[in-house]
Amino acid sequence: KQEVTQIPAALSVPEGENLVLNCSFTDSAIYNLQWFRQDPGKGLTSLLLIQSSQREQTSGRLNASLDKSSGRSTLYIAASQPGDSATYLCAPGGGNTPLVFGKGTRLSVIA
Amino acid sequence: GAVVSQHPSRVICKSGTSVKIECRSLDFQATTMFWYRQFPKKSLMLMATSNEGSKATYEQGVEKDKFLINHASLTLSTLTVTSAHPEDSSFYICSAREPGQGAFEQYFGPGTRLTVT
Repeated sequence: KQEVTQIPAALSVPEGENLVLNCSFTDSAIYNLQWFRQDPGKGLTSLLLIQSSQREQTSGRLNASLDKSSGRSTLYIAASQPGDSATYLCAPGGGNTPLVFGKGTRLSVIA
Repeated sequence: GAVVSQHPSRVICKSGTSVKIECRSLDFQATTMFWYRQFPKKSLMLMATSNEGSKATYEQGVEKDKFLINHASLTLSTLTVTSAHPEDSSFYICSAREPGQGAFEQYFGPGTRLTVT
């Protein structure tokens, strides 16, 4: 059964810092991995999808990498802003299997 | 990207009543939809996989007689919480996967917040 761990559980940084969120998963037989952000009381916003054949994906200030064989993914956020404050969720899966979620990293960017 | 809607966005019901939540894929046909539940400050937990035209597959520990899932068409899946109790209060999110796309990206609805009083 897939298990997903996200480190750190919570992070508080001053505005402008670059930061890295870590995700590890136990079953490397995945088709893709998605990163989401969730604001309090809201649904999920898809940030990036990395296919298993890819090493990384970039969107604006976000860069996600995937090392499928070692079961790791990282989300890099450059020049953080207060608007980035949210919970970030990592979810490997795809193909015929549903996404499995980690507990998330709760990010707070202080102005 | 593809759009998934949920209705209602919020619902309050009394203990013992049943509540139906709808999940629709608006611009694509989804042979498979997924239902997740999220308790406050917890992550999303998969409840069941809904397959069009066949019975849903429930995760271990999820009561299939309490959480009735019907995937009646390629664009609609419903989750009915029967005889709701306060402990069923949660955030329910559905997702759908667009068939034929190699990445098999899952698209998520905005969620339904259920409060049972």
